[in-house]
Amino acid sequence: AQTVTQSQPEMSVQEAETVTLSCTYDTSESDYYLFWYKQPPSRQMILVIRQEAYKQQNATENRFSVNFQKAAKSFSLKISDSQLGDAAMYFCAYREIIQGAQKLVFGQGTRLTINP
Amino acid sequence: DGGITQSPKYLFRKEGQNVTLSCEQNLNHDAMYWYRQDPGQGLRLIYYSQIVNDFQKGDIAEGYSVSREKKESFPLTVTSAQKNPTAFYLCASRPGPMNSPLHFGNGTRLTVT
Repeated sequence: AQTVTQSQPEMSVQEAETVTLSCTYDTSESDYYLFWYKQPPSRQMILVIRQEAYKQQNATENRFSVNFQKAAKSFSLKISDSQLGDAAMYFCAYREIIQGAQKLVFGQGTRLTINP
Repeated sequence: DGGITQSPKYLFRKEGQNVTLSCEQNLNHDAMYWYRQDPGQGLRLIYYSQIVNDFQKGDIAEGYSVSREKKESFPLTVTSAQKNPTAFYLCASRPGPMNSPLHFGNGTRLTVT
């Protein structure tokens, strides 16, 4: 089974500053998908951004962007101009295909605090 | 509005009792999933179903059971055999295409005492 590791249990950033959350994964596949999900205090899981491994260009969604380093198996999330509403748990996830079925394998999560 | 409904939001049970968590979706999604979330451990997959009347065990299926009699519904039963049932349970669904992301419900917090 694939593994996903988020080495930062907690991070904090000043409002309007930039923060980067780290994620590494282990896989022997060449084509796959990676995701970042956000879980605010309401505990609803919200998709932030996704990256297709065969695309060299890093994905971007407004203030959220990724730094995808395929050779290093690294998939970090950069949040620019941090806002109070960005405070949440952030989970990195790897899409695994087993016997034709898609499953997501999640990292342990990083709790992000925004300081006003 | 289309979405995934998990009910109830909070559930309390006595040890030794089976309990069923509800998950209903009106998104017409084929695949449905159950994840368990514990503090500091992220989400772990319990069961998943690709189509009606078919489901597979995930990474931590022991002590749980599911059914998929209708496309819209994927209930999870936590049996008395589950040793540590207190947790937050999330249901998710996914449309047909393999590269589609999961859509999640709001979760059910189960407390067993």
